[in-house]
Amino acid sequence: DGGITQSPKYLFRKEGQNVTLSCEQNLNHDAMYWYRQDPGQGLRLIYYSQIVNDFQKGDIAEGYSVSREKKESFPLTVTSAQKNPTAFYLCASTGGQGISNQPQHFGDGTRLSIL
Amino acid sequence: SQKIEQNSEALNIQEGKTATLTCNYTNYSPAYLQWYRQDPGRGPVFLLLIRENEKEKRKERLKVTFDTTLKQSLFHITASQPADSATYLCALDPSGGSYIPTFGRGTSLIVHP
Repeated sequence: DGGITQSPKYLFRKEGQNVTLSCEQNLNHDAMYWYRQDPGQGLRLIYYSQIVNDFQKGDIAEGYSVSREKKESFPLTVTSAQKNPTAFYLCASTGGQGISNQPQHFGDGTRLSIL
Repeated sequence: SQKIEQNSEALNIQEGKTATLTCNYTNYSPAYLQWYRQDPGRGPVFLLLIRENEKEKRKERLKVTFDTTLKQSLFHITASQPADSATYLCALDPSGGSYIPTFGRGTSLIVHP
């Protein structure tokens, strides 16, 4: 079955540590996205990529970094510069380089906590 | 400022009744609006999309309306079941033609047996 796989499901970060969240899709989608979800808040866009080797900052990119070396993969690194990283992180993809009105397909998220 | 408003209070209804969830928006002119379902600890799942020139869309027990004058979408689940209990998110394109939807906070629906 096609879909998006995020790993790990739970992740703990120590002070000063960078951690990387994995997102892999086998939907052959061009566009991929990272969102952050906090309790009682809507999804906030961190980074997105319409095509391999290209990505753009979203609304809350500070303290995060991404890469898009392969169409299937869009890893997110939460750096030590992100002072409040505790949240539920969601990866999504859409077909057609993100043509308007395409539904987003989501993974099942990674919950990141501070040790 | 631009806002998408969904009722932050949970909606509690009895099994078999129709659930109606509301999504209001201000200072947007969306070309489309989407509805998603999210279960605890899972990612959202797409349910329905409705375009600005469509008044109503149906899919099985689901119905969505879109009133661009009122700047409101209503999401209905008829003959609701406990399995329909989840959080429902609306999302719209923040400016006509943008491909990245902006999401509301979602409304929790609890269907009691």
